[in-house]
Amino acid sequence: EAQVTQNPRYLITVTGKKLTVTCSQNMNHEYMSWYRQDPGLGLRQIYYSMNVEVTDKGDVPEGYKVSRKEKRNFPLILESPSPNQTSLYFCASTRIHSGAGANVLTFGAGSRLTVL
Amino acid sequence: TQLLEQSPQFLSIQEGENLTVYCNSSSVFSSLQWYRQEPGEGPVLLVTVVTGGEVKKLKRLTFQFGDARKDSSLHITAAQPGDTGLYLCAGVQSNTGKLIFGQGTTLQVKP
Repeated sequence: EAQVTQNPRYLITVTGKKLTVTCSQNMNHEYMSWYRQDPGLGLRQIYYSMNVEVTDKGDVPEGYKVSRKEKRNFPLILESPSPNQTSLYFCASTRIHSGAGANVLTFGAGSRLTVL
Repeated sequence: TQLLEQSPQFLSIQEGENLTVYCNSSSVFSSLQWYRQEPGEGPVLLVTVVTGGEVKKLKRLTFQFGDARKDSSLHITAAQPGDTGLYLCAGVQSNTGKLIFGQGTTLQVKP
């Protein structure tokens, strides 16, 4: 089954304790992205990657890092989490192609992170 | 920065009622997507509209792309409890291909 898999699905941690949220896709998609979802703010892009070793900042990158060493994996790293990073996080991927109707994202099921 | 204003943010209606969700921007998009998200899951694509004035139907859901490709609407006829969820619109920026998401509309359909 074509899917994007995120882990962990739920995590409660404390301020300053480094954590990594993993994301893996089995569709050979070039493009991968991380979003955070907060009430009233919709989905905001944190980082994205157009291909292996190619990453770029989204709209809210502060406090986050990513890496793309393999095509299928795109982990999100919080080096020193803070309470304002408490949120619902989604990883998504898509195939890059030109033309209208492109860029349809396949999302993971989400990772709910609480930073105390 | 392109913005996509989605309204209303919350909607609670009775089963059988009709409703419309709006997605508006001052900018032109190359296409617009509508997603639906259920609790504990990620958003799932419902439809993509591409051409100005385009209308697409998905059972009781009707999607329309504005003539100028700046706005879109989602109309649900005779809503059912199974329609409950978060509806998100997302516009594709013409020059970058980046997706810009609206804030979302939380729909609750009561039996």
